[in-house]
This record gives sequence, structure tokens and C-alpha cells, in this order.
Amino acid sequence: NAGVTQTPKFRVLKTGQSMTLLCAQDMNHEYMYWYRQDPGMGLRLIHYSVGEGTTAKGEVPDGYNVSRLKKQNFLLGLESAAPSQTSVYFCASSYRLAGGPGEDTQYFGPGTRLTVL
Amino acid sequence: KQEVTQIPAALSVPEGENLVLNCSFTDSAIYNLQWFRQDPGKGLTSLLLIQSSQREQTSGRLNASLDKSSGRSTLYIAASQPGDSATYLCATGANSKLTFGKGITLSVRP
Repeated sequence: NAGVTQTPKFRVLKTGQSMTLLCAQDMNHEYMYWYRQDPGMGLRLIHYSVGEGTTAKGEVPDGYNVSRLKKQNFLLGLESAAPSQTSVYFCASSYRLAGGPGEDTQYFGPGTRLTVL
Repeated sequence: KQEVTQIPAALSVPEGENLVLNCSFTDSAIYNLQWFRQDPGKGLTSLLLIQSSQREQTSGRLNASLDKSSGRSTLYIAASQPGDSATYLCATGANSKLTFGKGITLSVRP
């Protein structure tokens, strides 16, 4: 039981390049989330998914796209990376919806450290 | 818009001390409040979750309380140990999202 895993762990991009971050969970959770964590800003929600084939915008969605083709996977894409997207990206999953009634715990992955030059 | 504040940003205490970490929030219309722990270079681990109808939750040496009316939560750590050194974040849950504070970085000196 690996929990939530993220690939890759580190990545350096040049401005304008594209990449996809992969998140996988083996807990059969319906809900999955992508956050970014920046010094002095705390964690901010980028996009989330309430089930296979669905996605929704979070607090800071601009410049990112997501897809949830399989229940266990949630992909975060950067089409044209910018230096402002330098950050640590965390994926999380949960059985119930975060911030909703009857919520249970969110499980976080180890993070991807992305640097855009 | 919900704002979650954690002060101070950093705290250093000697081993064995009982300590309280504070969290305040501006909007009391929340479903719950969670405390997380984050070790350097790692993801977040949930420590305690308090539903809005509850006043406190306990796990081992940790006790979290919630006072919605005053917009405050505290995380009490008893008999602190060097292994408790980490960043502690609180987050409120409402409107299908979590709003996180910036965290308190705790250092427990042997």
C-alpha cells in the first residue's frame, strides 16, 4: 500500500517548456487535489477532481490543466512554463470531499519540486 | 474570503516542555478544522481533525481544540520531544476547499 505517489520528485524546466506531473493513489479515493506551496504563501489549491472524468478549478488554476482519466491517477500539466510556476507541488486524495460536511483526512504525496528558469 | 493565521512563524523550545500552537481564522462558517505536520522536504500528514460540532480531539500527546465563535484553534503538545520538530499547519474546511495557514516551524532542543 503506497498511499499517494508523485512523479517526478524534482524537475528543472526552461521558460516555455511543457511538462506533466503524475499523481497516483491506491486507496480507491474518489477525490483528488493538486496544491502548490510557496514560501510565505502557504498551500493553495490549483485544481481538484470529484471523480473519474471530472475536474474543477481551485484557487489558482491559471496556467495549469488537469485530467482524471482513471480513478487512481490525476495529472497536472503545464503547457508553457513560467518562472512564476517555480514551486513545490503536492497531490492529495481523500475519501470524502475536502472542505465539505463529514470530511475525513486528506492524504498527501511527497511533493514535486519544480524550478522554471 | 477565509484567512487563516498562525503566529509566531517559528518557535524553539527545550525538550520536555508543554507547548501550545495557535491558529486563528476569520470566517466561523466552517465544517471542520485540521492540524497537519510537515517534515522538511516531505508532504503533509494529518494529525487531528475537529468537526464543527466538536470542541476538541486528542491523539496521544496531542490535543487540539476548536472555538468557532472566537475563530481560534489550539494544538497542545505535551512533553515535547526532538522528534516533534517540524512545521505544523492548520487548515479550515468549508465551501469544498481547505484554507491553510502558513504554518509554525517548531524546533525542540535536546
